[in-house]
Amino acid sequence: GENVEQHPSTLSVQEGDSAVIKCTYSDSASNYFPWYKQELGKRPQLIIDIRSNVGEKKDQRIAVTLNKTAKHFSLHITETQPEDSAVYFCASPASGGSYIPTFGRGTSLIVHP
Amino acid sequence: GAVVSQHPSWVICKSGTSVKIECRSLDFQATTMFWYRQFPKQSLMLMATSNEGSKATYEQGVEKDKFLINHASLTLSTLTVTSAHPEDSSFYICSARDGAGGEEKLFFGSGTQLSVL
Repeated sequence: GENVEQHPSTLSVQEGDSAVIKCTYSDSASNYFPWYKQELGKRPQLIIDIRSNVGEKKDQRIAVTLNKTAKHFSLHITETQPEDSAVYFCASPASGGSYIPTFGRGTSLIVHP
Repeated sequence: GAVVSQHPSWVICKSGTSVKIECRSLDFQATTMFWYRQFPKQSLMLMATSNEGSKATYEQGVEKDKFLINHASLTLSTLTVTSAHPEDSSFYICSARDGAGGEEKLFFGSGTQLSVL
């Protein structure tokens, strides 16, 4: 699968603040961009994804934005809560055909009450 | 959403023994499953792609004779760690896509914590 670079590796915020995590990719043909959340000791779960025909998708307090020109997609969490504390992974984008997902290095988000 | 079941959740074994981990898609057919390895506080490292009815495709650096993968049906893939050694101790997790729907979304098993003594 395509490699993705994810930043930052750790992110510490106060409850109520916003958090932004960014992933860059290289394949300009990519058309599917997912984000996963993994709580401590649990399985990763898809929290939001976006396709290349839109620039932004929002689901309550989380959103994903896509910049195809710059080849990056970002996860935005607003009004963070302690239960948002987890490790967030972007997965390598899909570009049709056989999709073999690899993962960014992860971002450990800590929300302080 | 789709459910992926993985067993066992944890296993402790003696060095030199083999351990089998099962990954089942409960309510969908998974023509492709993926096996990952995860070290503490690190990312998911793709080990291999398991294809129903054919040989698995292993990532570079992963020994296929060490980590045997079998995907005999559309709902079951197994990973067998052969002649396990302490360095094989890790968290192993499988995932699957709902192939019939053409989805890219991954659904993960709950993982298996392997400890080799």
